[in-house]
Amino acid sequence: NAGVTQTPKFQVLKTGQSMTLQCAQDMNHEYMSWYRQDPGMGLRLIHYSVGAGITDQGEVPNGYNVSRSTTEDFPLRLLSAAPSQTSVYFCASSYSRDQETQYFGPGTRLLVL
Amino acid sequence: EDQVTQSPEALRLQEGESSSLNCSYTVSGLRGLFWYRQDPGKGPEFLFTLYSAGEEKEKERLKATLTKKESFLHITAPKPEDSATYLCAVQGTGRRALTFGSGTRLQVQP
Repeated sequence: NAGVTQTPKFQVLKTGQSMTLQCAQDMNHEYMSWYRQDPGMGLRLIHYSVGAGITDQGEVPNGYNVSRSTTEDFPLRLLSAAPSQTSVYFCASSYSRDQETQYFGPGTRLLVL
Repeated sequence: EDQVTQSPEALRLQEGESSSLNCSYTVSGLRGLFWYRQDPGKGPEFLFTLYSAGEEKEKERLKATLTKKESFLHITAPKPEDSATYLCAVQGTGRRALTFGSGTRLQVQP
């Protein structure tokens, strides 16, 4: 099993550009989520999904969109990047909706100029 | 609103010098408390889940304990490879989201 994979590892964007951060898992996990990690603030939940076709907002959803067309994939879209979205983004998955034992991907480091 | 506070922010130990990391939390009904380890440039790696006060879990040199207000991660005779940031998170009853603390950065010197 590859576990949770994320691409790209690093990305530089200009303000206003759009992009998609990819996340995939091969563990047949129902629950997937996106977090951002900023210095001194801990991990904050952006969006999550409890299964294919079902998504919901987390703590900091503004500026981000998600969709879940398959169990394996959960892409995060930035529609119009802003410098405030400079962060490290982590995708995570867990077997059940109870969210125990979340497995995290290696992260995408995003810099918005 | 669920809150998690971790202390200290940073800790430097000598190899073999045991210590404890603290995670204080407030939550409206605890569903679970989680400990993760995060190495620089990598994603968090799951260590433990604790569910109720009095519960303890161990893994190699690490032991996690839980009370109604806080959790401790005890590190016994640490080695340099234990150097990492340790994250604590809670999940409240009826909530899907985890609330994370900002972590304790541990450095173990040989």
